[in-house]
Amino acid sequence: EVQLVESGGGLVQPGGSLRLSCAASGFAFSSYVMHWVRQAPGKGLVWVSRINHDGRTITYSDSVKGRVTISRDNAKNTLHLQMNSLRAEDTAVYYCVRDLDWSLDHWGPGTLVSVSS
Amino acid sequence: SFELTQPPSVSVSPGQTASITCSGDKLGDKHACWYQQKPGQSPVLVIYQDTKRPSGIPERFSGSNSGNTVTLTIIGTQAMDEADYYCQAWDSATVVFGGGTKLTVL
Repeated sequence: EVQLVESGGGLVQPGGSLRLSCAASGFAFSSYVMHWVRQAPGKGLVWVSRINHDGRTITYSDSVKGRVTISRDNAKNTLHLQMNSLRAEDTAVYYCVRDLDWSLDHWGPGTLVSVSS
Repeated sequence: SFELTQPPSVSVSPGQTASITCSGDKLGDKHACWYQQKPGQSPVLVIYQDTKRPSGIPERFSGSNSGNTVTLTIIGTQAMDEADYYCQAWDSATVVFGGGTKLTVL
């Protein structure tokens, strides 16, 4: 069974940093493109970033480019999202998502990031 | 920038057919997906590559793509289908979501 479990969320002050992690199991993690998608409270889904299977091709949304770094450790079946210079508008549930043939076929339960003073 | 537009809400009576549209420039040239999200839960993929259903998704869910519009159709809508639905497509190696449609079954 495919499982994705995010961790690392929490309350952080504006300008602060957080590192999110996603533990993957039940599939060949190193063979899949992975994404981070976020959802602000009561709002819609917003794509954040994508990393290909070997970590060599990375894409970011304009809203986070320069402040966020996606990475992966295929030996540990783990996906990461380093977030810096956090703003109130970054407050959201962050989902770790697997990509299968250009669709987002498995989502984790999400981890909540709250940016507030 | 590429945008996907969905109606904010759609209402349907139980047993009837619900149609949710998603429009975008040259969307017909791209492959679209649909996700269902119930309150407090993570999204679930219900349609991929315009018309395909993942295993475990009921046959009452179907998708179509024509011109600049993709459509999610639910035939024989059930109370359990009440949820938010999001369309999604790719544009220049980035993922784009529609704003979401709240489907109410009443």
